Amino acid sequence: DVKVTQSSRYLVKRTGEKVFLECVQDMDHENMFWYRQDPGLGLRLIYFSYDVKMKEKGDIPEGYSVSREKKERFSLILESASTNQTSMYLCASSHGSGPAKETQYFGPGTRLLVL
Amino acid sequence: AQSVTQPDIHITVSEGASLELRCNYSYGATPYLFWYVQSPGQGLQLLLKYFSGDTLVQGIKGFEAEFKRSQSSFNLRKPSVHWSDAAEYFCAVGFNDYKLSFGAGTTVTVRA
Repeated sequence: DVKVTQSSRYLVKRTGEKVFLECVQDMDHENMFWYRQDPGLGLRLIYFSYDVKMKEKGDIPEGYSVSREKKERFSLILESASTNQTSMYLCASSHGSGPAKETQYFGPGTRLLVL
Repeated sequence: AQSVTQPDIHITVSEGASLELRCNYSYGATPYLFWYVQSPGQGLQLLLKYFSGDTLVQGIKGFEAEFKRSQSSFNLRKPSVHWSDAAEYFCAVGFNDYKLSFGAGTTVTVRA
């Protein structure tokens, strides 16, 4: 079974803090994604990566950065957390080129609260 | 602009009744189409997907979906709902090779 793990299920941070969300997949997938999930808005893509050290902006990259130094790990960084970044963050991975065609496998999510 | 719409925010069904969830998209060509389910406290799991061929697609957990090009729709159905089907359902559409766009989701409540 494909497994995507996220470092924390719940996280509470203060405004202005630097926040790291870690995601690890164990299926040697080329593609990894970070989404945020908000009620009534569904999932919105923040960033994705189709190879090590490669990254592409999604629909809402402002206020976020990412890092992919190893194939299995994709990190989401909030340089200076703000209250409007309180959300559920979902990591996903998929195999192959052309990520939109492939099944994405999701982690359980990290619920981040910024105070 | 490309978009995905799930018109129903919340649906309540009785256990054993049929279920249909609607999904419409706006795009000039046939996109890649998916349905995912998110059970409480869980990540998303793929139910089924459509790229081409037979427009009626069978998925896991007894779900099926039908692609209708003329209506730009990809509706999800289940003939008889079980209490464990209570979850949030997301339609997702791939408009190009790299990005998947998700609808806002439909929450399904199952009453005994």
